[in-house]
Amino acid sequence: QVQLQESGPGLVKPSGTLSLTCTVSGGSISSNDWWSWVRQPLGKGLEWIGEMYHSGSSNYNPPLKSRVSISVDKSKNQFSLKVSSVTAADTAVYYCAKKSWELGVFDYWGQGTLVTVSS
Amino acid sequence: DIQMTQSPSSLSASVGDRVTITCRASQSISRSLNWYQQKPGKAPNLLIYAASSLQSGVPSRFGGSGSGTDFTLTISSLQPEDFATYFCQQSYSTPSFGQGTKVEIK
Repeated sequence: QVQLQESGPGLVKPSGTLSLTCTVSGGSISSNDWWSWVRQPLGKGLEWIGEMYHSGSSNYNPPLKSRVSISVDKSKNQFSLKVSSVTAADTAVYYCAKKSWELGVFDYWGQGTLVTVSS
Repeated sequence: DIQMTQSPSSLSASVGDRVTITCRASQSISRSLNWYQQKPGKAPNLLIYAASSLQSGVPSRFGGSGSGTDFTLTISSLQPEDFATYFCQQSYSTPSFGQGTKVEIK
């Protein structure tokens, strides 16, 4: 059973960089899956941020592409998210998730972590 | 990019009711449509994939249908644990989600 766990600061200053890490257990990050980030402002809907394959291939949501970077650390079975130049609009619960290569579904999720952008 | 529109945004229903939620895509997505359930403070949970396939462990009262641009999630007999928010997601191209439908107790 794959498990994912997000970690990182819960508070980021405006114009700073949001950094989160997702640790994968019960499975290998080198599996045939996409490793993804999804966010959800409180009380609102889900927004896909981007994804990376263990080979280094990546895809990003166009509105966020200029500010977002996702990387994979196979030695630690982790993947990470960086969002630069953050504003209050980036305040959200951030989820890491595994997306099935075959079906394109998000079949495993982390519990989510709230990141607040505030001075 | 493909826009997903759900309706209604919320509904009130009673235990035992049949509930239907619709999801419309801005262009044809074949059957690349998935449904998730989210309870407060929890991550979404996959219910249905490829429009009508039930994810392992999901009760059979949940069903999905549709193809092209119009899709439906049906709960045949609403149970107390089904009060939650439901999201559709297209996997035809870069992922996008509907805005959600909150199912509340009547």
